[in-house]
Amino acid sequence: DTAVSQTPKYLVTQMGNDKSIKCEQNLGHDTMYWYKQDSKKFLKIMFSYNNKELIINETVPNRFSPKSPDKAHLNLHINSLELGDSAVYFCASNKGLGQPQHFGDGTRLSIL
Amino acid sequence: AQSVTQLGSHVSVSEGALVLLRCNYSSSVPPYLFWYVQYPNQGLQLLLKYTSAATLVKGINGFEAEFKKSETSFHLTKPSAHMSDAAEYFCAVSESGTASKLTFGTGTRLQVTL
Repeated sequence: DTAVSQTPKYLVTQMGNDKSIKCEQNLGHDTMYWYKQDSKKFLKIMFSYNNKELIINETVPNRFSPKSPDKAHLNLHINSLELGDSAVYFCASNKGLGQPQHFGDGTRLSIL
Repeated sequence: AQSVTQLGSHVSVSEGALVLLRCNYSSSVPPYLFWYVQYPNQGLQLLLKYTSAATLVKGINGFEAEFKKSETSFHLTKPSAHMSDAAEYFCAVSESGTASKLTFGTGTRLQVTL
């Protein structure tokens, strides 16, 4: 009965590769998010989708491309991975404005 | 623009002592405020939220926080620390608008000693 699930949990790959992270929520929420947590634990918003529509796109390199096939899924595709992309990526969802966000367990991306 | 400042990147308390984690926010409109806890290698779990109903908010695991508009603060407290409280704590703010993104503070690592 996992609320927000991300796959994979760990991702180890080489520089220059392309990879995807998947996220699914079974809470019936309309809004989903991607956050990046760096090595110092700092969390920063990357993207947000509301009912399949992109509503937040923070200053993220265009190598990162989110895709939302339906409102329960938000995937993150990353092209040409760089060393600086190493981080933990969290997916989250909520009902809407002012409502608490529910987080997945994160995907730890390590670039060799 | 919204922002959050958490004073003290590390806080150490003895088991049974008061826990006080500080959070100050900046927001151009009435904010929504949250405290999250992160245990090692896990996601973020909501502790409590302030959404303008009551200034003293009670959360899970015995934590509470008080919203003080005059001080732009939302400090987290717990009367008696337990070893299981050791974790990273994040204060976050969300503003009204078309999107409810969270802006996080830099986090405070709570250590609980015997």
